[in-house]
Amino acid sequence: NAGVTQTPKFRVLKTGQSMTLLCAQDMNHEYMYWYRQDPGMGLRLIHYSVGEGTTAKGEVPDGYNVSRLKKQNFLLGLESAAPSQTSVYFCASSYSMVAGGLSPDTQYFGPGTRLTVL
Amino acid sequence: GQNIDQPTEMTATEGAIVQINCTYQTSGFNGLFWYQQHAGEAPTFLSYNVLDGLEEKGRFSSFLSRSKGYSYLLLKELQMKDSASYLCAVIFGNEKLTFGTGTRLTIIP
Repeated sequence: NAGVTQTPKFRVLKTGQSMTLLCAQDMNHEYMYWYRQDPGMGLRLIHYSVGEGTTAKGEVPDGYNVSRLKKQNFLLGLESAAPSQTSVYFCASSYSMVAGGLSPDTQYFGPGTRLTVL
Repeated sequence: GQNIDQPTEMTATEGAIVQINCTYQTSGFNGLFWYQQHAGEAPTFLSYNVLDGLEEKGRFSSFLSRSKGYSYLLLKELQMKDSASYLCAVIFGNEKLTFGTGTRLTIIP
């Protein structure tokens, strides 16, 4: 049981290049999330998915696209990378929506992808 | 937005006790998580509070006061491996998690 995995671990891009980050989970989770983490900013939600074939915008979606063609995979795409997208990207998954109350469902995070855009 | 405030950095001595505070806007509060994140690694779940009071889990405890919009994470018998960032995250309404900026804790011998 690998949990949540991300590829690649590191990447350097030039401005204007495109790339796709892959997230995979083997826990049969319905919900998947993409965050970015920047110094002094905390984790910010980019996009999320509530199930296969669905996606939704988070707090900072501009410049990114996502797809969830298979339940276990969640892809994050950068069509034209910009230096402002230099960040550490984390994927997470959960069985249900983290909706609070007495029994929320915690998120499980992948190891992260460190992206530098020159 | 829903502001979540926690100190940026803290230092504590091995074997001692440290308390990391988190304050948040009370409107729409629906639960609070604490995560631990070692440098270069993923966040991992530590605790969850939705009712007032103290939740104890080994050396770690988390406290919540909903009326004051206040939580703290208490770490006892500090070990060098506790050097990490500690993230406070709040659920507002029926929405996703909102994370604070994290507190970087350094343990010194």
